Amino acid sequence: RKEVEQDPGPFNVPEGATVAFNCTYSNSASQSFFWYRQDCRKEPKLLMSVYSSGNEDGRFTAQLNRASQYISLLIRDSKLSDSATYLCVVKGGTGGSYIPTFGRGTSLIVHP
Amino acid sequence: DTEVTQTPKHLVMGMTNKKSLKCEQHMGHRAMYWYKQKAKKPPELMFVYSYEKLSINESVPSRFSPECPNSSLLNLHLHALQPEDSALYLCASSRPTGGKTDGANVLTFGAGSRLTVL
Repeated sequence: RKEVEQDPGPFNVPEGATVAFNCTYSNSASQSFFWYRQDCRKEPKLLMSVYSSGNEDGRFTAQLNRASQYISLLIRDSKLSDSATYLCVVKGGTGGSYIPTFGRGTSLIVHP
Repeated sequence: DTEVTQTPKHLVMGMTNKKSLKCEQHMGHRAMYWYKQKAKKPPELMFVYSYEKLSINESVPSRFSPECPNSSLLNLHLHALQPEDSALYLCASSRPTGGKTDGANVLTFGAGSRLTVL
């Protein structure tokens, strides 16, 4: 079983749609959670950290469910510019490891 | 503009060449990473340096040789590579704290060096 799993998609949605991605992780001792965005042929860039209480940044909402070991990303009112690959990243574990583990990424295509 | 600078942006080399990739950051981060990324795949961890010491080597072949001359610089020396080593090589940095969600664990990536091995 992979440590961090994501549905690779692609998710193909019209502008203005709401779309949600999930990511599950296997290490229950994981402590830090992030969503990164990667555009084609570019480097990953931090979209948002994910906090236990959930957090929101404009149209983006991230949630963490420790009991079920998953994190989610909700994008409201999708824009064409949201088209990208969204990578789930999990850090920490037994011994306080700071090594990040990446999911394979979920591809989002927003069309007019 | 990214705060992690990688050079060169593009590199084409033959299998007998020796070349180096360079990475620089001035954010005071003491953990630096090399990742390899193939098309439509997530970044794959190669090496981690913590306080200028190699702390993680993910069983990377010896034709890749990392070096951390100081807290701001990270190099990846390349020798006798194979065509399958062609990929985007990403450098990243972070503060090497112990895993709490305090923002300090955020990885900042450079723009990458796109390597083609002929």
